[in-house]
Amino acid sequence: KAGVTQTPRYLIKTRGQQVTLSCSPISGHRSVSWYQQTPGQGLQFLFEYFSETQRNKGNFPGRFSGRQFSNSRSEMNVSTLELGDSALYLCASSLADRRGGELFFGEGSRLTVL
Amino acid sequence: AQSVSQHNHHVILSEAASLELGCNYSYGGTVNLFWYVQYPGQHLQLLLKYFSGDPLVKGIKGFEAEFIKSKFSFNLRKPSVQWSDTAEYFCAVNAASGAGSYQLTFGKGTKLSVIP
Repeated sequence: KAGVTQTPRYLIKTRGQQVTLSCSPISGHRSVSWYQQTPGQGLQFLFEYFSETQRNKGNFPGRFSGRQFSNSRSEMNVSTLELGDSALYLCASSLADRRGGELFFGEGSRLTVL
Repeated sequence: AQSVSQHNHHVILSEAASLELGCNYSYGGTVNLFWYVQYPGQHLQLLLKYFSGDPLVKGIKGFEAEFIKSKFSFNLRKPSVQWSDTAEYFCAVNAASGAGSYQLTFGKGTKLSVIP
């Protein structure tokens, strides 16, 4: 079956702009999580959505937001971009086993902020 | 909040050498533990996971990891590495964070370079 699909794969923005990233989970997966990956900080949890509800949120400012649609597809938005937002943004989907099951990651959206 | 420490930033080995990558976590409650691998140019994929039971877990491609609760450790091992094991390895911990939700906390990763 198809894996997790993220679009766009690469994008360049300037400071102050906003960006929307999209994620299509594996069919049947209802949980979608977002992570920010940078060389210095590694992978940091942004938020998790399940059945269109944000269940958990990491330690990021309010400029980072997300949503999930009824078909489990998810988007994340970053407003008022800063240079430090340059990163690889990873989406992961899961069957949402309550014990914390396997996350299936997409290839990521690489954002460069100039 | 939980945290994960991976001791080595970059490990260089020759083919056939044995591998052990360290991972320690800090969290007082019950945890689920994972090792993920990211091959060059590819997405993160699961190597192995521990939920409960036998603390020695076996994963794909000959990898195994041992959960030592008293040491808060979950070290990854492989008896004989191959050039194709060159990748970045991430240890991750999951602790329940409410109402069925969960998040993974990742270590900063260890880059493994295997020399033919």
